[in-house]
Formats: sequence, structure tokens, C-alpha cells
Amino acid sequence: GAVVSQHPSWVICKSGTSVKIECRSLDFQATTMFWYRQFPKQSLMLMATSNEGSKATYEQGVEKDKFLINHASLTLSTLTVTSAHPEDSSFYICSAMQGAGSGNTIYFGEGSWLTVV
Amino acid sequence: SQQGEEDPQALSIQEGENATMNCSYKTSINNLQWYRQNSGRGLVHLILIRSNEREKHSGRLRVTLDTSKKSSSLLITASRAADTASYFCATNDYKLSFGAGTTVTVRA
Repeated sequence: GAVVSQHPSWVICKSGTSVKIECRSLDFQATTMFWYRQFPKQSLMLMATSNEGSKATYEQGVEKDKFLINHASLTLSTLTVTSAHPEDSSFYICSAMQGAGSGNTIYFGEGSWLTVV
Repeated sequence: SQQGEEDPQALSIQEGENATMNCSYKTSINNLQWYRQNSGRGLVHLILIRSNEREKHSGRLRVTLDTSKKSSSLLITASRAADTASYFCATNDYKLSFGAGTTVTVRA
């Protein structure tokens, strides 16, 4: 099946610094990618929808200036957590839609553990 | 807002037994997808069932969809220890909305 690669798998950063997480679709082009956040033992919460070549659409309550999303190509979307704080520590997962429009399978990356110290 | 909600929240079964979990959703859908997540890992796509389908099989997995009741079920037959994971359903109205998941523990 389709593969989505996420990097890094885990990262530790100091409070106040920024960290970038990459999401790549390895064997298909993804016009649309999604970024989720997941706290332990909880469901995935959609943060934003990333559209290639245009601005991301953020969910209510998600600060767009804090969570910068760039989708510069059909195979790469990046999430940058700016001025990270300990409360930003979480598991971040990206997904990519194979094909355009609803009704297509969405594949997930392996996730990135972010710890802010 | 959460669209898919799984039931039960947790399930513990013996290896070889079947595991059944349910998913309910609130609005009309184009399709419904089931995913598995091992602890601390990403989600693995299991199966997609479209709104005009009633049942679908994939290996030991059987998914049903009842659009009149806005519900779906996932059956894992002859469970194995490796099936221990959390299972999520998600509806695809262009972007996925997840429920809290069902945590399945398969005892050897």
C-alpha cells in the first residue's frame, strides 16, 4: 500500500525553540495532507489541512502562527512548532490523501513524538 | 467535532476468539474507514467501506455498514496477540474525524 514517511520519529527541544516535522508521501502525490495531534490514550485531533500550493486550513482553536504548515510540493508537507513550550509536547501525526476529493483512502505516517523541556 | 465514536472503549479477549467493535457517526458519509494503532505508533489503514456498501471483507477482518442506523462494525476473527492495538473508525467527509477508539487486548 501507499507509504507516508514522517521525520523525525522523536525530538527533544528546549523551551522557546522551534522544531520542524516533515511528512512525505513516498509513492504517490498528495494534494492534501493533514496534521493531527494526539495526547496519551486519546483520539487524534485534527489540527490543520494542508493543501499543496496554498495556505493551510486550521481547525478552530489551533494557532496558525504557532503551528506553521508548509506544503510546497505534492509529496512534502512540514509542520513547524514555533517557540515551543512544554504543553506542546505531544504525538504529532500526519496523513496524506491518495487522489483528490473525498472518498479516497488516507494513509498515515508513523508519527513524531515531541518533548519540550 | 468527533464524527466517529467507537464502542466498547476497551475489549479483552483470549487468543483465537473473535473481537467485535462498533462505530457510530452523526451525519451522512461518503465512506467510513477503520484504522489500527499500536501504542505510540502511526495509524495503519485496515479497510474502507463506501456508503453504498453493506459489508466488506479483508483477510480476518469483516466490516459492516448500516447507513440507516449510522453505524459500522469491525469484526476480527481468530484473534492473535499481534491484534492487540487501538482501533479507530473515521468518516471521510473530505477530512477524517476520529472517535476515541476501542483498545483491544488479546491474551495469549
